[in-house]
Parts: sequence; structure tokens; C-alpha cells
Amino acid sequence: DAKTTQPNSMESNEEEPVHLPCNHSTISGTDYIHWYRQLPSQGPEYVIHGLTSNVNNRMASLAIAEDRKSSTLILHRATLRDAAVYYCILSSNTGKLIFGQGTTLQVKP
Amino acid sequence: DAGVIQSPRHEVTEMGQEVTLRCKPISGHDYLFWYRQTMMRGLELLIYFNNNVPIDDSGMPEDRFSAKMPNASFSTLKIQPSEPRDSAVYFCASSSRLAGQETQYFGPGTRLLVL
Repeated sequence: DAKTTQPNSMESNEEEPVHLPCNHSTISGTDYIHWYRQLPSQGPEYVIHGLTSNVNNRMASLAIAEDRKSSTLILHRATLRDAAVYYCILSSNTGKLIFGQGTTLQVKP
Repeated sequence: DAGVIQSPRHEVTEMGQEVTLRCKPISGHDYLFWYRQTMMRGLELLIYFNNNVPIDDSGMPEDRFSAKMPNASFSTLKIQPSEPRDSAVYFCASSSRLAGQETQYFGPGTRLLVL
């Protein structure tokens, strides 16, 4: 399975946008880019996923580079409840999710 | 739907005892996954099932661990005998397909402490 690289931690101010980067230079043509997040003392939860085109949902936006070697999760207005570990994961047709260490997002009031 | 249900939520046991963790997947989901999370190793996939059949158990640490899925609505992860290094949070997840783009839904986890 192809691997991803994320910063260990990031900080944001409440109500400001947050851009969480992810590098996946060895991505293959069939790999989907998934983002999950894990709030304290909870199981991971799905945020968004995409293949080639940018994606939007009620939680976030996913911007995918044209060469697909990197992507960015965008939280448009961070709230205190968005403080979590964010995982960027590549999923091939095996469907297995291999979690890395993720990015710990701190949101300051 | 109530989501993925796991029990117990917390378990404290002594080394050498048998531990059984339980999971009820979301109705209609035919894939079930067991994960383990520790500070040192992060979130690891242990095993997953499709239509109650184990497909990939390459993540199961050793013979002390076993997992079963007797029917579509129930799975167990058993540790016998348990050791202190098994202390972790164990998550169960389910999904409806395994095609690269299907969402996995996670349960709240079971926090296991082996003394």
C-alpha cells in the first residue's frame, strides 16, 4: 500500500480556515484519497474522500493536486470541536485502510 | 441505525486471563474490521471479514489472538492468555463494500487494561 506523509501537528485559531497537507508521491492510479479524523476518546470517523477531482461536503473540502501526489484537507471555519487527529489514507481496490500517525490539530479560542 | 456497537467499553483483567471483545456491525454491512490502537504503534488493522469469512488476518499479532464471525450481526475478538502488552483500545469497524471508496464506520472502542 502506498504511504502518506503528514505534519505531526498544526495549530489554528477558532473560526479561521485550516489547510491540512498530505503528500502521497507513490500514489497509484486506482488509489482513492481518504481523510478520517479521531476526536479524543472516540473511534475514527470519515471526513471526505476523492480520486482526482476536488470534493466538497458539509464537513470539509478536499483539494487534490493535478498530479495526485499531494492533497489538502480544508476546514473552512475551524471550531473547538474540530480539534482531533486527522489521518490521510490511500485506499486501493483492496479497500484496506492503513493509518499513519496523522496530524494533531489544535484549535485555539 | 445505532452504528457499530462494541462491548464491553472498558475491561480490566489480570495477566493470563481470557478476554473476549464483542462487535455488532451496522445492519447490511458485509465487511467487518478489527483494529488495535496504542500510543507506540498507532492504529493497526488486525483482521477483516467479508460475509462472515476471514479474508486477511496478517495483522493478528500471534496465536493468542483469534477472531470469529458466526453470523452477519456479531463478531468476537478473543485473547487467550492475555498479557500486559495487549493493553490497548480495540476498535471494530464495518463497511458495505471493499472497493477503495467505501466508508468504514467505527465503533466507540473497547479499552483493555491487562495487569
